[in-house]
Amino acid sequence: AAGVIQSPRHLIKEKRETATLKCYPIPRHDTVYWYQQGPGQDPQFLISFYEKMQSDKGSIPDRFSAQQFSDYHSELNMSSLELGDSALYFCASSPRLAGGLETQYFGPGTRLLVL
Amino acid sequence: TQLLEQSPQFLSIQEGENLTVYCNSSSVFSSLQWYRQEPGEGPVLLVTVVTGGEVKKLKRLTFQFGDARKDSSLHITAAQPGDTGLYLCAGVSGGGADGLTFGKGTHLIIQP
Repeated sequence: AAGVIQSPRHLIKEKRETATLKCYPIPRHDTVYWYQQGPGQDPQFLISFYEKMQSDKGSIPDRFSAQQFSDYHSELNMSSLELGDSALYFCASSPRLAGGLETQYFGPGTRLLVL
Repeated sequence: TQLLEQSPQFLSIQEGENLTVYCNSSSVFSSLQWYRQEPGEGPVLLVTVVTGGEVKKLKRLTFQFGDARKDSSLHITAAQPGDTGLYLCAGVSGGGADGLTFGKGTHLIIQP
C-alpha cells in the first residue's frame, strides 16, 4: 500500500539559511499534518491543512510557514534557521471521515541538521 | 494544554514475560492511537481506539480505552525480542484535522 512520501530524507543547512520540506500524502487523503521531533523527544504538532486551508495550528514558529497545494501535497518552509531547528520533521496524512475521527499515518520523516 | 502521561518510560524484561504500558490524562480524548517508532523512522500506527471501554487485540497486543476516554493501556503477552522499540500513545481531543498530542513514549527492551 502507498505510504506518505517525504523529501528530502536528509538535509543539512547552515544557520540563517532557508529550507523547504515536501510531503506527498497517501492517495485520497486530503488532510496533512506536520510534526517536529527533537532528539529524545516526542513528536510536537506544528500545523495541519484540510482541503488546502489551514485547519489547526500548534507550536509552529513564526519563521516557519506551510501550505497545501491543489494536488494535496504540502510544503513546510523554514527561514532563518537556528541550531535548535535540528530535528526530525514528520508529515502525516489522513482521510476526512464522518465524525472527524481520522487516523493519522506518518511518513518516514526528514532529518534536518542545522550547522 | 492537554497532556498524556505515559508510563513506564523505560522497561526491560525477559522474553516470555507480560507487560503493560499506561497512558493517562485528565482530559477526554475523542480517539487515542498507539504507535511504534524505530530510531530515525516515522511512527507506525498500531491501533486506534475511539469508544470508551473499547478493547482491541492485535496478535499478542491488547489495547484498551478507558470508559471515560481519558486513559488507555497496551498489554503485551509473552513478549518477544521483536517487540523491542519505542511505543507512543497519542490522542485527539476534537474532530477535524486536529494535531495529535503525544505521550513521552515507553522504551521497551525485550531480552532473549
